[in-house]
Amino acid sequence: NAGVTQTPKFRILKIGQSMTLQCTQDMNHNYMYWYRQDPGMGLKLIYYSVGAGITDKGEVPNGYNVSRSTTEDFPLRLELAAPSQTSVYFCASWGVQLAGELFFGEGSRLTVL
Amino acid sequence: KNEVEQSPQNLTAQEGEFITINCSYSVGISALHWLQQHPGGGIVSLFMLSSGKKKHGRLIATINIQEKHSSLHITASHPRDSAVYICAVSGNQFYFGTGTSLTVIP
Repeated sequence: NAGVTQTPKFRILKIGQSMTLQCTQDMNHNYMYWYRQDPGMGLKLIYYSVGAGITDKGEVPNGYNVSRSTTEDFPLRLELAAPSQTSVYFCASWGVQLAGELFFGEGSRLTVL
Repeated sequence: KNEVEQSPQNLTAQEGEFITINCSYSVGISALHWLQQHPGGGIVSLFMLSSGKKKHGRLIATINIQEKHSSLHITASHPRDSAVYICAVSGNQFYFGTGTSLTVIP
C-alpha cells in the first residue's frame, strides 16, 4: 500500500541526547514535510523539502536538522534534545500524483526527560 | 492572526445529528484539505477540493472560493466519527487550522 512510513512510534530521550526520526514514502512525491503537534495546538512546520537535495526551514526549525538525499527518504535529526522538544512528530508527503492528497505518517511520540 | 481559522473548536453531538464544521482562510490557495485525526492516532486525508462540493459516504465538503470558506458536514453522525477534524490549505505551502474536536454521544 502506498503511504508514508515513520519510525519510531515512541521514544524517550534524556536531555542532551540525539536521535533521528526516519520517514520514507513510496509515492514518488517531491514534497515532504516534518511537523510537530503539541497538545491542543495545530501542526507546526519544522522543515520541508521540495525535492532530493533541497531542504528549507519552516516555522520552528531550531534544534532540528534534515537531509534529503533521495526522493523517498526525509530523516529528521534532533541534536542535544531538550524538554521543549517533547511533542508528537508527523512526517507528510504531497505530490500531484494520487489526486494531490496530503499523506501523513502515523506519528512519533517523543518525550525528553 | 492564523491563516486558517476553524469553528467551533469543540463540538458535542448526539448520535444521528447533522454536524457542520467551518473553515475560513486568508491566503491564496490551490486546494483545501479536510483531515481526520482519531485520539492518539495518525492523520488521514478525507477530502481535497479546489471548488464546489465532494461527498464520501456520510461526509460532504464544500468550498466557496470567493468567500474563502469551506464547510465539512457529517450526516447521521455516529460515535465512530468522534475525532479531531483539521482544515488545511495548500498554496506555496500548507497552512493548518488548530482543529475541531468532535465527540458524538450514543
